[in-house]
Amino acid sequence: DIVLTQSPGTLSLSPGERATLSCRASQIVSSRKLVWYQQKPGQAPRLLIYGASSRASGIPDRFSGSGSGTDFTLTISRLDPEDFAVYYCQQSGTSPPYTFGQGTSLEIK
Amino acid sequence: QVQLVESGGGVVQPGMSLRLSCATYGFTFTTYGFHWVRQGVRQAPGKGLEWVAVIWNDGSKKYYADSVKGRFTISRDNSKNTVFLQMDSLTAEDTAVYYCARDLWDSGNYYFDYWGQGTLVTVSS
Repeated sequence: DIVLTQSPGTLSLSPGERATLSCRASQIVSSRKLVWYQQKPGQAPRLLIYGASSRASGIPDRFSGSGSGTDFTLTISRLDPEDFAVYYCQQSGTSPPYTFGQGTSLEIK
Repeated sequence: QVQLVESGGGVVQPGMSLRLSCATYGFTFTTYGFHWVRQGVRQAPGKGLEWVAVIWNDGSKKYYADSVKGRFTISRDNSKNTVFLQMDSLTAEDTAVYYCARDLWDSGNYYFDYWGQGTLVTVSS
């Protein structure tokens, strides 16, 4: 099974700052199968980025995804107060299990 | 609009069974596959997401996480636009919020585009 390791576990930043979240896979993941979700307390995960770099419908352009192979990045260019949440990467590869990273908690500094 | 609504969670004793339902609205049910994803309330640090099971849009294929294989069964009723998760031989490790999610194939990309609000399953004596 593919293991996804997210770093850092917790990121403390201020509104307006830039956030860079990392997701590293234990083996090569097709870019078309790397997904990012956002989850706020008490809510279901919300699709942010699919195909490593495509924003889902309604997602602001301050969110961007990049990477290939085993290293992927989610960048939030200028943090808005509503962006403080937990972010998960997921690989939706050719066969199950469709594993998730352990999450990065983005906290207000 | 697209909606997925889970139900069936509750408190159950170890070794017992529970059946979760995911009723869907606002789209053509038979076009999509569906997954169950759970989020533990016991493990630390944090409460991560664990993929549990998938059923293909035509019901022809089903896959399970190793942690539930042989105990959980995913199914769908196309006449009711509903997905089910039958959970048998439950243990405390199965305590979690269970989410239903719809999948989407889009130009080679594959992802979960809509999620339900979740239903809490607590396994405790």
